[in-house]
Amino acid sequence: GDSVTQTEGQVALSEEDFLTIHCNYSASGYPALFWYVQYPGEGPQFLFRASRDKEKGSSRGFEATYDKGTTSFHLRKASVQESDSAVYYCALGLNNNAGAKLTFGGGTRLTVRP
Amino acid sequence: AQTIHQWPVAEIKAVGSPLSLGCTIKGKSSPNLYWYWQATGGTLQQLFYSITVGQVESVVQLNLSASRPKDDQFILSTEKLLLSHSGFYLCAWSGGNAETLYFGSGTRLTVL
Repeated sequence: GDSVTQTEGQVALSEEDFLTIHCNYSASGYPALFWYVQYPGEGPQFLFRASRDKEKGSSRGFEATYDKGTTSFHLRKASVQESDSAVYYCALGLNNNAGAKLTFGGGTRLTVRP
Repeated sequence: AQTIHQWPVAEIKAVGSPLSLGCTIKGKSSPNLYWYWQATGGTLQQLFYSITVGQVESVVQLNLSASRPKDDQFILSTEKLLLSHSGFYLCAWSGGNAETLYFGSGTRLTVL
């Protein structure tokens, strides 16, 4: 079945550090890839998506590039801030029959120390 | 702009009691609608989706049911709650099958 693997369950950084959260996927078709961010007590917020190989998505200083060869969509940010502390989810979307289905990774909790 | 409203914000219910959670989307005609469930500290799992009024597809069997009585409304319910139903329930919408999902603020359910 389709799946998304986020390698890091938790990441702890200091402000201005460089962030990488690894996301690898397995899918039978050609999925769209997404990043969502979830703050405590809230629903996930859409960050950005990419739908084609080599396409780069970006928002709020975060970016990721769709890599079909390595089946990856790693999230990066050059300089994190304390306000970036949240849980980040990678997801893949496939259109099978009717209705979109998003499959989420396990999530990565980012804690940024001031 | 589209808005999504979930109710209630939180519920504390007894095992065996009934449940009804709701979600309303404004500013979008004929959206695809979804219910997701999230255990505390866990990932998101799709429960149901609907692409049109009166039509709901089940993705995971969790002794829950869903209905779409109106174009802008999605209801999640059960007649008998289990302890395992505790968690965070999220409603989401998209503009179509290939579109991004946008989530509501969720309902926190505690079953005692």
